[in-house]
Amino acid sequence: GAGVSQTPSNKVTEKGKYVELRCDPISGHTALYWYRQSLGQGPEFLIYFQGTGAADDSGLPNDRFFAVRPEGSVSTLKIQRTERGDSAVYLCASSLGTGPTDTQYFGPGTRLTVL
Amino acid sequence: AQSVTQLDSQVPVFEEAPVELRCNYSSSVSVYLFWYVQYPNQGLQLLLKYLSGSTLVKGINGFEAEFNKSQTSFHLRKPSVHISDTAEYFCAVTTQGGSEKLVFGKGTKLTVNP
Repeated sequence: GAGVSQTPSNKVTEKGKYVELRCDPISGHTALYWYRQSLGQGPEFLIYFQGTGAADDSGLPNDRFFAVRPEGSVSTLKIQRTERGDSAVYLCASSLGTGPTDTQYFGPGTRLTVL
Repeated sequence: AQSVTQLDSQVPVFEEAPVELRCNYSSSVSVYLFWYVQYPNQGLQLLLKYLSGSTLVKGINGFEAEFNKSQTSFHLRKPSVHISDTAEYFCAVTTQGGSEKLVFGKGTKLTVNP
């Protein structure tokens, strides 16, 4: 079946602009996660959803970052007033449920470049 | 808070040689441990995980890892590597009873040379 998909695959924007990154999880997966991977680093947790609600948003770096999952499927990560330091690969993952036995399946990521 | 240290940022080896990728973690509570692999231009893929029970865990593609609680380590091993194992490998932890978020190390780039 189809895996996790993310669009766009690449996004180039200018400092100060607003961007939206989209994640389509595996069908039927109730949990959805966002991570950010900066160059030379491992993925860093941002937020995760159980259904429509954000169960843990402790990783969002500041209030310029916001994510939604209105119907419990597709999620959008929104970044306002982008800064050069936001440049990274944004990864989305989904799992059937929550808990360590539920494997997180990752998408290919969106590479965001802020000029 | 938990953290993960991957001691080697790059590991070059020759084809058919054994390899060990090292991972140490720090946590005040019990953890679950994972190894993920990222092939060039692909998403992260789960190699194996330790939840409980036997400390030796076998994963896909001939990899295995051993959980050592006293040394807080979860090293990844393969007895004979192939060119196709060239990739970046990430160790990750999550806490038992805590949030489901994964905390990753910085990764180890394994390069298998002919």
